[in-house]
Amino acid sequence: DTAVSQTPKYLVTQMGNDKSIKCEQNLGHDTMYWYKQDSKKFLKIMFSYNNKELIINETVPNRFSPKSPDKAHLNLHINSLELGDSAVYFCASSQEGESSPLHFGNGTRLTVT
Amino acid sequence: GQNIDQPTEMTATEGAIVQINCTYQTSGFNGLFWYQQHAGEAPTFLSYNVLDGLEEKGRFSSFLSRSKGYSYLLLKELQMKDSASYLCAVRDSNYQLIWGAGTKLIIKP
Repeated sequence: DTAVSQTPKYLVTQMGNDKSIKCEQNLGHDTMYWYKQDSKKFLKIMFSYNNKELIINETVPNRFSPKSPDKAHLNLHINSLELGDSAVYFCASSQEGESSPLHFGNGTRLTVT
Repeated sequence: GQNIDQPTEMTATEGAIVQINCTYQTSGFNGLFWYQQHAGEAPTFLSYNVLDGLEEKGRFSSFLSRSKGYSYLLLKELQMKDSASYLCAVRDSNYQLIWGAGTKLIIKP
């Protein structure tokens, strides 16, 4: 199946731990993203990345870092997890072009205790 | 600042028609998207408007008025499976997507 896949689907961890979320897309898209969706359902862009540049939302703490080993993967590393990091994290990808929609992964529900 | 406004929640009856409005104030405009998100799932693309007017796609239609900073999503012949959140997103002059908080649509039999 052509899709955006991310793992794990659920992640429960304690404050202070370091964790990673993996994302892969086999759609041949040029750009990948990480979004955070909080309890109020706002989708907030964290990072967007293509083979040319990484764009970081300046409000994202530097405990969050994206890692892209290749065009099809964009993993999210989180250091020193805090309670406020609890949310659903979505990976997405799109082709270049203003009319190109985003294709989302199924999300990772992160719970920090 | 940039802002997208949508009603928080709407209720409609199975078989009826519902219109979900979205107003936006953004720095520039390069298109407007509607997404559907079922509870616990990923958002999925519904429609894209960049020119004024109505785009029809089956039971769903989306309208745009750039001069008014306004769009709506029209859902006809509502089905129970249409119960979901509907997200409006605008691409600004920097080609960044600005998202609304979504409208939760509840369909009653």
